[in-house]
Amino acid sequence: GQQLNQSPQSMFIQEGEDVSMNCTSSSIFNTWLWYKQDPGEGPVLLIALYKAGELTSNGRLTAQFGITRKDSFLNISASIPSDVGIYFCAGGGVNDYKLSFGAGTTVTVRA
Amino acid sequence: AAGVIQSPRHLIKEKRETATLKCYPIPRHDTVYWYQQGPGQDPQFLISFYEKMQSDKGSIPDRFSAQQFSDYHSELNMSSLELGDSALYFCASSLGRQPQHFGDGTRLSIL
Repeated sequence: GQQLNQSPQSMFIQEGEDVSMNCTSSSIFNTWLWYKQDPGEGPVLLIALYKAGELTSNGRLTAQFGITRKDSFLNISASIPSDVGIYFCAGGGVNDYKLSFGAGTTVTVRA
Repeated sequence: AAGVIQSPRHLIKEKRETATLKCYPIPRHDTVYWYQQGPGQDPQFLISFYEKMQSDKGSIPDRFSAQQFSDYHSELNMSSLELGDSALYFCASSLGRQPQHFGDGTRLSIL
């Protein structure tokens, strides 16, 4: 079953605004990853986090691996129309490599 | 850079038929994962292979089987197909514990 709680489920934002979404879990994860999925395509890796407390940026994206290893957030600054899509958090287990995904956050940008 | 290649991109089958999905991982990646994504849902882990050996098993029905070949490509075999098997099937690959990179998926429709 699903172990990750991702919020918000969806958001409508104005172009230029900052976006924030997060994931929490009752389980500890060794890695946290954030993916973006466009319709009909596979998830594309945005950011990977490996250490508790780690803060990593990739262009306008910033993500953090929570200190408890049970949560992570993703921020998108100065959103643009191509930021539209579904964003998934995913946790990599302690004893295995498989990923558990959150339910996704659907982002729609108003021009 | 080379990505994960999946074939076919679309597949239409009838109930009780069989299907074979193929995945070609990124060169030099040693681990392959299969995920199933239902409409509006997050990807669910099915099975993974490391160096041609099954490494982990998730919610994969007994009607499904998979293997990884000597050239590292993988095939997901699905038998006695049911309407509920209609979904996007993704393959991902990684080098050890490095982040997983996904293919664009196979959309399987069961009539």
